[in-house]
Amino acid sequence: AAGVIQSPRHLIKEKRETATLKCYPIPRHDTVYWYQQGPGQDPQFLISFYEKMQSDKGSIPDRFSAQQFSDYHSELNMSSLELGDSALYFCASSPTPKGEQYFGPGTRLTVT
Amino acid sequence: DQQVKQNSPSLSVQEGRISILNCDYTNSMFDYFLWYKKYPAEGPTFLISISSIKDKNEDGRFTVFLNKSAKHLSLHIVPSQPGDSAVYFCAVRAGTALIFGKGTTLSVSS
Repeated sequence: AAGVIQSPRHLIKEKRETATLKCYPIPRHDTVYWYQQGPGQDPQFLISFYEKMQSDKGSIPDRFSAQQFSDYHSELNMSSLELGDSALYFCASSPTPKGEQYFGPGTRLTVT
Repeated sequence: DQQVKQNSPSLSVQEGRISILNCDYTNSMFDYFLWYKKYPAEGPTFLISISSIKDKNEDGRFTVFLNKSAKHLSLHIVPSQPGDSAVYFCAVRAGTALIFGKGTTLSVSS
């Protein structure tokens, strides 16, 4: 069965650079979520989209923005990167806004 | 303050025995609870969920029990298998977001 696809899987950036993470949800899933997992931490909710509109917002820094496109894929844009942004970034999708969330393999971002 | 607590960072069980993972939550308004399993270098995998209108949900070897008065849920795995070794996260749904506990690392030895 098709799963959530995230790219790239690994990304190394320097401080103050920008990064763009991409997420392709499971076909026919119209809701996308972004989570950040720091080392030894639990995943923290950042933001979600339903039908290309932002539906919920968590602890997402102002330096980050995200959007969902007409084909339902989503991008997380991160600017002015800081060392503390180094983490695993997971995207998840669900068939409805309150359905079970299916996670992608994550993008490991390292900021040096 | 942590809204979802998994107080046991780790659990070791022998193959064939029962694994019991516990989770406590603070907000009685939470109405949907989930368990995820996570292997290294992979995303969390959905295991089983339960709505607050139920007190038990079973799927194969996995059973989740919900005690609303105690704000406590548990995941039972019977029988445990070495392939079950992973980090298990308890999560609650808050709006569309999930709030996760810090996870319990389960090790099943053969």
